[in-house]
Amino acid sequence: GDSVTQMEGPVTLSEEACLTINCTYTATGYPSLFWYVQYPGEGLQLLLKATKADDKGSNKGFEATYRKETTSFHLEKGSVQVSDSAVYFCALSDLGDDKIIFGKGTRLHILP
Amino acid sequence: DVKVTQSSRYLVKRTGEKVFLECVQDMDHENMFWYRQDPGLGLRLIYFSYDVKMKEKGDIPEGYSVSREKKERFSLILESASTNQTSMYLCASSLASGSSYNEQFFGPGTRLTVL
Repeated sequence: GDSVTQMEGPVTLSEEACLTINCTYTATGYPSLFWYVQYPGEGLQLLLKATKADDKGSNKGFEATYRKETTSFHLEKGSVQVSDSAVYFCALSDLGDDKIIFGKGTRLHILP
Repeated sequence: DVKVTQSSRYLVKRTGEKVFLECVQDMDHENMFWYRQDPGLGLRLIYFSYDVKMKEKGDIPEGYSVSREKKERFSLILESASTNQTSMYLCASSLASGSSYNEQFFGPGTRLTVL
């Protein structure tokens, strides 16, 4: 079945460092890909999305590109802030499927 | 502002008690979901409802049941709570498939402790 694999955390970085969180997927169809973020004490919220190959999703300085050839959707940010400390989930959803498959999450700590 | 609300942020129950977790959404979404979130395991789908009175088992339905009598409300029921059901429970809602993409909107979660 479909699955999502993302790098294990926690990831600890200093403020203004570059961030990459790796995500790869396995899917039989042509899924949409998502990054969700969960700030402390809150539920998940959508950070960015991409619905077809080579699409780039972006939001709040974060970017991820849908790479069909490598089945990847890595999350990147050029300069992280303390306020980016959260848990990040990579996810996919097949066309016509109401359910979303989530990765296990990567906890990110940003030190001032 | 669109919202998914959950009845409690924190709940402490005793083993064997019947527990109700309530979720309400104000977006007129067809789909509603219950997940549990545990460290190292991520989110696991318990049950899914795609319409009033309609439900589908997720990956870990054992020990749980659900009720959806109204479109905006989806309840998770633990018939006889056990300590291994101590977890964070997240409710979500989304439009039906056929939308351009089916983003799920999440509530803040209920942290349930079963003693």
